[in-house]
Amino acid sequence: GNSVTQMEGPVTLSEEAFLTINCTYTATGYPSLFWYVQYPGEGLQLLLKATKADDKGSNKGFEATYRKETTSFHLEKGSVQVSDSAVYFCALGLNRDDKIIFGKGTRLHILP
Amino acid sequence: DAGVIQSPRHEVTEMGQEVTLRCKPISGHNSLFWYRQTMMRGLELLIYFNNNVPIDDSGMPEDRFSAKMPNASFSTLKIQPSEPRDSAVYFCASSLRQSSTDTQYFGPGTRLTVL
Repeated sequence: GNSVTQMEGPVTLSEEAFLTINCTYTATGYPSLFWYVQYPGEGLQLLLKATKADDKGSNKGFEATYRKETTSFHLEKGSVQVSDSAVYFCALGLNRDDKIIFGKGTRLHILP
Repeated sequence: DAGVIQSPRHEVTEMGQEVTLRCKPISGHNSLFWYRQTMMRGLELLIYFNNNVPIDDSGMPEDRFSAKMPNASFSTLKIQPSEPRDSAVYFCASSLRQSSTDTQYFGPGTRLTVL
């Protein structure tokens, strides 16, 4: 079946550290891939997306590249800030329906 | 523009009571989703609508849960009777269906506590 697996948290880093959150997927066909972010007390919001192989999504200093050969969509940021503390969800969408399949989320803590 | 609006933001009720959660999607969006989030189970899709028609309700946990979308600007999720294990944050999201690349826009959620 279709699924998303992301690294378990929590992940704790110091400010200005390099961030990687791993995400791999299993899907039939050619999914679109997303990263959503949930700040404390809020709903999820789209951080970035990629719709086909080798596409790179980017936003707010975060990047992720759609790697079909490794079925991965790892999230990276070169220098994290305290304000990046949140829960990050990797997700995939299939063109045949509206549903988005979410991973379990990775909680990120950034220490000043 | 107003985002997805949910009410109430917090609900505390006693076991056995009926609970109704409300959602107003973004104007012009034609798909609406109800999710439940708990620490144990993460984010679960309960049901989604397209053009006010329920498309997939396979995530609805049991008959105590029901959802309606009487028009394009309003949806409800009802739990009757409620149980303590229903305690969770319930999110509504909407999107403009053109393909699965469409962004889902989430509301702020309703935190439900069933005592």
